[in-house]
Amino acid sequence: AQSVAQPEDQVNVAEGNPLTVKCTYSVSGNPYLFWYVQYPNRGLQFLLKYITGDNLVKGSYGFEAEFNKSQTSFHLKKPSALVSDSALYFCAVRDGQTGANNLFFGTGTRLTVIP
Amino acid sequence: DVKVTQSSRYLVKRTGEKVFLECVQDMDHENMFWYRQDPGLGLRLIYFSYDVKMKEKGDIPEGYSVSREKKERFSLILESASTNQTSMYLCASSFLGGDEDLGGYTFGSGTRLTVV
Repeated sequence: AQSVAQPEDQVNVAEGNPLTVKCTYSVSGNPYLFWYVQYPNRGLQFLLKYITGDNLVKGSYGFEAEFNKSQTSFHLKKPSALVSDSALYFCAVRDGQTGANNLFFGTGTRLTVIP
Repeated sequence: DVKVTQSSRYLVKRTGEKVFLECVQDMDHENMFWYRQDPGLGLRLIYFSYDVKMKEKGDIPEGYSVSREKKERFSLILESASTNQTSMYLCASSFLGGDEDLGGYTFGSGTRLTVV
């Protein structure tokens, strides 16, 4: 069975500081990992993905994520936070071995960037 | 740009009513999904479909059904709405293809349903 854990419901960071939103996962096969962002009253938007290759993945809006196989983690990072980054962030995983197409989502982390 | 359009942004329905939530995508995606989103619970998969007239149960299908008569349209049906179905409903679509198509899902803007 696949699962995703986002251990922090809320992350607060000052504008200009680096931010990290944590995600750990569990799958039986190779993980396909995704981050999505949700702004108020909107659907989810794709940020970035890891399928294979370089462990550091770069995505939209200056975000990046690092795949760590030994720690089964895929933390989302940004070197300098903006107030406009304040949103709800979801980590998701798909089991690349089973071939199933559906993603399993974490419970979300609300990021607040303080001016 | 890929678009997933959900027909209603906000809906208020009475307990016991039959409710239809419509979703249309314009990029010829094979896969379509219905999720509900609740605070603290994240997104939970209700039903999904890989092809026309095909459906698969997700994690929480009870009280729901779906219809996919055309490739671009995936409808979620609440047979008899109850107050515990008050939630945000999100539709998504994606390609069925190989790794090069693994761009993840494209989501609609959501329908906030209130059952009174």
